[in-house]
Amino acid sequence: GDSVTQMEGPVTLSEEAFLTINCTYTATGYPSLFWYVQYPGEGLQLLLKATKADDKGSNKGFEATYRKETTSFHLEKGSVQVSDSAVYFCALSDVNFGNEKLTFGTGTRLTIIP
Amino acid sequence: DAGVIQSPRHEVTEMGQEVTLRCKPISGHNSLFWYRQTMMRGLELLIYFNNNVPIDDSGMPEDRFSAKMPNASFSTLKIQPSEPRDSAVYFCASSSTSEYYNEQFFGPGTRLTVL
Repeated sequence: GDSVTQMEGPVTLSEEAFLTINCTYTATGYPSLFWYVQYPGEGLQLLLKATKADDKGSNKGFEATYRKETTSFHLEKGSVQVSDSAVYFCALSDVNFGNEKLTFGTGTRLTIIP
Repeated sequence: DAGVIQSPRHEVTEMGQEVTLRCKPISGHNSLFWYRQTMMRGLELLIYFNNNVPIDDSGMPEDRFSAKMPNASFSTLKIQPSEPRDSAVYFCASSSTSEYYNEQFFGPGTRLTVL
């Protein structure tokens, strides 16, 4: 079945540091890939997405590239801010197989120190 | 749009009591999802509906849990009887299958504590 494996947390960085959160996936078809972010006390919200190989999703300075050859979708940001402190979830959806379900990774808690 | 609305935001109850969580999806969305989030198990999909019909309830823990969607604008998740291990944050999400990538929009969650 489909699965998502993401970097264990927690991750603590200083402000303006470079961020990478690793994510790899296993899927039977050609999934769409997502990063969701959860701020304290809130529900998840979509951060960025990519629907086919080599697509790059980007939003709020975050980027992730859909790498089919390595089945990866790593999240990066060049200079993090305190406001980026949150839990980040990698997810996939095998929409081509009519499957609306999102398969989530376990989440990575990110804390940015001023 | 107001987004996905969940009520109550917090619920504290005693073991054995019935608990009902409510969700109003975004208007026009035709898929609705119930998730449970705990520290130990992370985010789990409990059940999802498409056009008010339950499509996959394989994540529902046991018979104590039931979910209904009587119309396109309302869904409930009921736990009867509740147990301390049901303590978690329960999220409702909705999406529109008219969009290719089916982005799910999450509500703020209901934090349930069973004593």
